[in-house]
Amino acid sequence: KAGVTQTPRYLIKTRGQQVTLSCSPISGHRSVSWYQQTPGQGLQFLFEYFSETQRNKGNFPGRFSGRQFSNSRSEMNVSTLELGDSALYLCATSRSSGSGNEQFFGPGTRLTVL
Amino acid sequence: AQSVTQLDSQVPVFEEAPVELRCNYSSSVSVYLFWYVQYPNQGLQLLLKYLSGSTLVESINGFEAEFNKSQTSFHLRKPSVHISDTAEYFCAVSENKGNKLTFGGGTRVLVKP
Repeated sequence: KAGVTQTPRYLIKTRGQQVTLSCSPISGHRSVSWYQQTPGQGLQFLFEYFSETQRNKGNFPGRFSGRQFSNSRSEMNVSTLELGDSALYLCATSRSSGSGNEQFFGPGTRLTVL
Repeated sequence: AQSVTQLDSQVPVFEEAPVELRCNYSSSVSVYLFWYVQYPNQGLQLLLKYLSGSTLVESINGFEAEFNKSQTSFHLRKPSVHISDTAEYFCAVSENKGNKLTFGGGTRVLVKP
């Protein structure tokens, strides 16, 4: 079956702009989590959505937001981009929301902010 | 709050030699433990996980990890590495808060011929 799909794969924006990233989960997966990966901070949890509801939120400013649609696809939005938002954004999906679930990661969207 | 420490940021190793990647965590509650691998320009892939039961867990490609509750460790080992094992390895914990994972800083393994 198809894996986790993230679009776009690469994105270049300038400071102050906003960006929307998309994640399509594996069929049957209802939980989608988002992570930011940078060389300095490593992998950091942004938020998790399950059945269109935010279940968990990491320690990121309000400029970072997300949502989930009825078909479980998820989008995350970053407004007023800053240079420090340059990162690889990964989404991970699983069948349910609960510790210990195997999560499947997408290839990521690499965002560069100039 | 939980945290994960991977003591080695880089580990060079010769092909067919053994390797051990160290992972220590801190948490006030019971946790689930994971090792993920990331190949260049790819997402993360689950290598193995500890949920309960036997403290020694194995993957299909020869890796194993042992959960040590008293030392709060979950070290990853492979008795004989291949060139294809060159990748970055991440230890992660989940603390019964949905699917949230807290990751260590990662260990880059470079296998030399």
